[in-house]
Amino acid sequence: KAGVTQTPRYLIKTRGQQVTLSCSPISGHRSVSWYQQTPGQGLQFLFEYFSETQRNKGNFPGRFSGRQFSNSRSEMNVSTLELGDSALYLCASSLDGRDNSPLHFGNGTRLTVT
Amino acid sequence: DQQVKQNSPSLSVQEGRISILNCDYTNSMFDYFLWYKKYPAEGPTFLISISSIKDKNEDGRFTVFLNKSAKHLSLHIVPSQPGDSAVYFCAAGDDTGRRALTFGSGTRLQVQP
Repeated sequence: KAGVTQTPRYLIKTRGQQVTLSCSPISGHRSVSWYQQTPGQGLQFLFEYFSETQRNKGNFPGRFSGRQFSNSRSEMNVSTLELGDSALYLCASSLDGRDNSPLHFGNGTRLTVT
Repeated sequence: DQQVKQNSPSLSVQEGRISILNCDYTNSMFDYFLWYKKYPAEGPTFLISISSIKDKNEDGRFTVFLNKSAKHLSLHIVPSQPGDSAVYFCAAGDDTGRRALTFGSGTRLQVQP
């Protein structure tokens, strides 16, 4: 079974631009979550999508948004990029959003904002 | 305010010995705890989890212990192997959002051959 796939692996953007990251969950997984990892703040929850609906949201500004498609694939978008948005963005999928099935992470997209 | 804390940034252990990684939490609403392992340039890999209704869960060489009164959990790896060298994160969740996990800052484990 293929794991969680994130594209692209690396991205360099300029301050003020916007970016879209993509995530394909494990086949059959319906919940997709996004996390940001930085050296200073560690791993922080961004949001979770289930059945194309955002079910939970972390403490990030509105510049961070996402969506989920009917095939469970998900995208996240960051608008008006700031230098502090440079981070590893991790997508994780799980079978369902309410049970205790663990998150399975992709290898992430490394975003650098210059 | 760090709700999940891993106070040891690094740990070095000899191959074959026991590795003990510790994690403390402050939020009494947390009722589900997990450990993840992360290699460089890869995403975290799930290792083992425990629900607050248990105080111990085992999976092969990995055992997680939960002490709810002390708000403390630990991961024991026995015996430790060089391939276990990685960064280990503990994470916690509550029933308001099973996917909105709160992670600790990680402990880098190095297993010396």
